[in-house]
Amino acid sequence: EVQLVESGGGLVQPGGSLTLSCAASGFTLSRYWMHWVRQDPEKGLVWVSRINYDGTNTNYADSVRGRFTISRDNAKNTLYLQMNSLRVEDTSVYYCGRDAAKVAAEDLDYMDLWGKGTTVTVSS
Amino acid sequence: DIQMTQSPSSVSASVGDRVTITCRASQTISSWLAWYQQKPGEAPKLLIYGSFILQSGVPSRFSGSGSGTDFTLTISSLQPEDFATYYCQQANSFPITFGPGTRLEIK
Repeated sequence: EVQLVESGGGLVQPGGSLTLSCAASGFTLSRYWMHWVRQDPEKGLVWVSRINYDGTNTNYADSVRGRFTISRDNAKNTLYLQMNSLRVEDTSVYYCGRDAAKVAAEDLDYMDLWGKGTTVTVSS
Repeated sequence: DIQMTQSPSSVSASVGDRVTITCRASQTISSWLAWYQQKPGEAPKLLIYGSFILQSGVPSRFSGSGSGTDFTLTISSLQPEDFATYYCQQANSFPITFGPGTRLEIK
């Protein structure tokens, strides 16, 4: 079955760190750009970061740049999001998403496959 | 950043109705627009990309149109499973941004 499964969410204090994982199955992760998107009731859907097929090109939203790091291990079929210096406003459900480009290594910046999400709560 | 707005914010409709949702970008995005459907407790689902291209497996009652700054999503004949929240998303430039959503409710 083609799917993405996020893990690693939880409760963390402000200033703390957390690493999210996104396990891919049923497709070849190395062919795709991948994204992280977060969602909370106040701000809605917010794009966080993306990474190219081999991990050599990354982009971040201004709100997380310098604090979050996206990476991937294609041999393990896993995407990561290392989150440092967490703030209360980072509290959200975090989704990983596969880029919709059909041609290997290209990007469209739409997401055609999403995981079910993992919840991050930053609170003292 | 490109701001995305949607109207209406919510709409009530009946099974069989035709519904149109509008999305507007704060600057031109050519046809770099997608529509997603999200049901409570679920992840968003891609319906349409490139303004009008139907994602594989999505029923043909969904259609999209528009270019530049103004876009529409139309559901030609509402089915019970279509009641959900719909989001637009621009992919023209970074950062990628989403609209605030339109909640489609049963009348």
